[in-house]
Amino acid sequence: GQSLEQPSEVTAVEGAIVQINCTYQTSGFYGLSWYQQHDGGAPTFLSYNGLDGLEETGRFSSFLSRSDSYGYLLLQELQMKDSASYFCAVRIGGAGKSTFGDGTTLTVKP
Amino acid sequence: KAGVTQTPRYLIKTRGQQVTLSCSPISGHRSVSWYQQTPGQGLQFLFEYFSETQRNKGNFPGRFSGRQFSNSRSEMNVSTLELGDSALYLCASSRISTGAAEAFFGQGTRLTVV
Repeated sequence: GQSLEQPSEVTAVEGAIVQINCTYQTSGFYGLSWYQQHDGGAPTFLSYNGLDGLEETGRFSSFLSRSDSYGYLLLQELQMKDSASYFCAVRIGGAGKSTFGDGTTLTVKP
Repeated sequence: KAGVTQTPRYLIKTRGQQVTLSCSPISGHRSVSWYQQTPGQGLQFLFEYFSETQRNKGNFPGRFSGRQFSNSRSEMNVSTLELGDSALYLCASSRISTGAAEAFFGQGTRLTVV
């Protein structure tokens, strides 16, 4: 089967850096995605790692290590608006099947 | 360009009834995936359609079905509703069949079964 683990909650202060980890056990792994979801909103795509290494998009970066079955999302210069749930998701088998983690609730405090 | 549109946004149904949810993907996107989101179970993959064909299916009972039309719009149907089907149903579109690699989600349909 497929399983993903990420912390359920993370708290940080405005301006700080936070890292949300995701470990996975899955067969047919193709890549790891990250999504942000505000309360009552739709998940929004943040990044995708198909290869090992770091992908940077503005204040957000994502990292993947296939050998360790591990990835993380790094958020820098935290802002209050970053308070949301963050989901990692694995793409399976090269096609359209995906499994999501249970999500990490990030709370940014002033 | 317009985003993913799901209708209706809210729905209340009675146990035993059936329901049909609609999803219009972003123009040019041929893949539509459906997910069920509940507080206890997170985002669960239901199925994915690409060019009118179901390409992948999650672990849901046969009461959950879907289809995709030639214009890429998709519908999801749930028959014989159960209380446990109460959830936010999200659809996501992408240009090709890459699942959550880079998908754009609609606002969802919140279904309440009473």
